[in-house]
Amino acid sequence: GAVVSQHPSRVICKSGTSVKIECRSLDFQATTMFWYRQFPKQSLMLMATSNEGSKATYEQGVEKDKFLINHASLTLSTLTVTSAHPEDSSFYICSARDGGPPLHFGNGTRLTVT
Amino acid sequence: DQQVKQNSPSLSVQEGRISILNCDYTNSMFDYFLWYKKYPAEGPTFLISISSIKDKNEDGRFTVFLNKSAKHLSLHIVPSQPGDSAVYFCAATSNAGNNRKLIWGLGTSLAVNP
Repeated sequence: GAVVSQHPSRVICKSGTSVKIECRSLDFQATTMFWYRQFPKQSLMLMATSNEGSKATYEQGVEKDKFLINHASLTLSTLTVTSAHPEDSSFYICSARDGGPPLHFGNGTRLTVT
Repeated sequence: DQQVKQNSPSLSVQEGRISILNCDYTNSMFDYFLWYKKYPAEGPTFLISISSIKDKNEDGRFTVFLNKSAKHLSLHIVPSQPGDSAVYFCAATSNAGNNRKLIWGLGTSLAVNP
């Protein structure tokens, strides 16, 4: 089946630094990838939709200058959390589509900002 | 406005019995529904889906029922196993020019007791 690899699985960084999270579709080409965030005991919150070769579409309330998304190829999208603060600590998950639904998800990245 | 609702935050069943997870939706444009299973600190895993042209889809121990008139779907797991203990998310999507973005419920935490 379709596999989505997300890296790193866990990262701890200091406040003010930037962190890059990679999302790769391993055995299919993903023209569209989605980035989600999950707070404890809450549902997945869609942050942005990433389309290969074009600018990402951000959901309302998500700062595009803080959460930089690059989808440079059909198999790779990156999310960079710039100037991270403790309130950015969360679980970030990417997903990709191999044609129509369902979405295939990476295993997530646990970001802790100290 | 929660378009996809999972009104039971948690459910506990005995091993071997049936687990029934419910999901309601408000948007009549939704034409495809999905169930995902999620373990802590992992990405969601696709479980089963159903198109709006059907009222039932079965895959092994998992069956999804769709009642369009009631805007209600349910996931049945039988027999339930301890390994089924996880959070189950209901999601819906429509083909309304939005990249088939998934709209998620808040999840139901299922505990299957040995």
